[in-house]
Amino acid sequence: AAGVIQSPRHLIKEKRETATLKCYPIPRHDTVYWYQQGPGQDPQFLISFYEKMQSDKGSIPDRFSAQQFSDYHSELNMSSLELGDSALYFCASSLGLAGLTQFFGPGTRLTVL
Amino acid sequence: DAKTTQPPSMDCAEGRAANLPCNHSTISGNEYVYWYRQIHSQGPQYIIHGLKNNETNEMASLIITEDRKSSTLILPHATLRDTAVYYCIVREDDYKLSFGAGTTVTVRA
Repeated sequence: AAGVIQSPRHLIKEKRETATLKCYPIPRHDTVYWYQQGPGQDPQFLISFYEKMQSDKGSIPDRFSAQQFSDYHSELNMSSLELGDSALYFCASSLGLAGLTQFFGPGTRLTVL
Repeated sequence: DAKTTQPPSMDCAEGRAANLPCNHSTISGNEYVYWYRQIHSQGPQYIIHGLKNNETNEMASLIITEDRKSSTLILPHATLRDTAVYYCIVREDDYKLSFGAGTTVTVRA
């Protein structure tokens, strides 16, 4: 069965640079969630989109923005990167907001030097 | 405030059943109990979820107490590949998953 695809899988950036992470949900899934997991920490919700509209927002820094496109893929844009942004970034998808079960992608490991 | 409480760690012998407890005493009537696991640095993997009734699938069984204040995830025959952090999550109305401090399960040969 098709799963959530994330790209790139690994990304290395310098401080103050920008980064774009991409997420391709499971086919027919219309809801995308982004989570951040710092070293030794548990995943924390950042933001979600349903039918291309932002549906919920967590502790996402103002330097980050995200959107969902007409084909339901999503991109997380991160600017003015800081050392503390180094983390695993997971995308999850579900069928509808009330679709309950979220399925996660393999994650993007971002390292900021 | 954490909505669930889990033991920080537990060991299990390979081939034996692993019983993972979770307390969620403030759960409301329309909130589901979800279980996910995360094998080292991989994406969290969905295991099972339930509302009131006990549930079983190919991976595990979920036993929810009648008052819904606690639940137990049962891995019937633990293998080394089941070593992971297991998260019990009460799904809130706004649909996001709030991961707390899960249980680190180590399956030993």
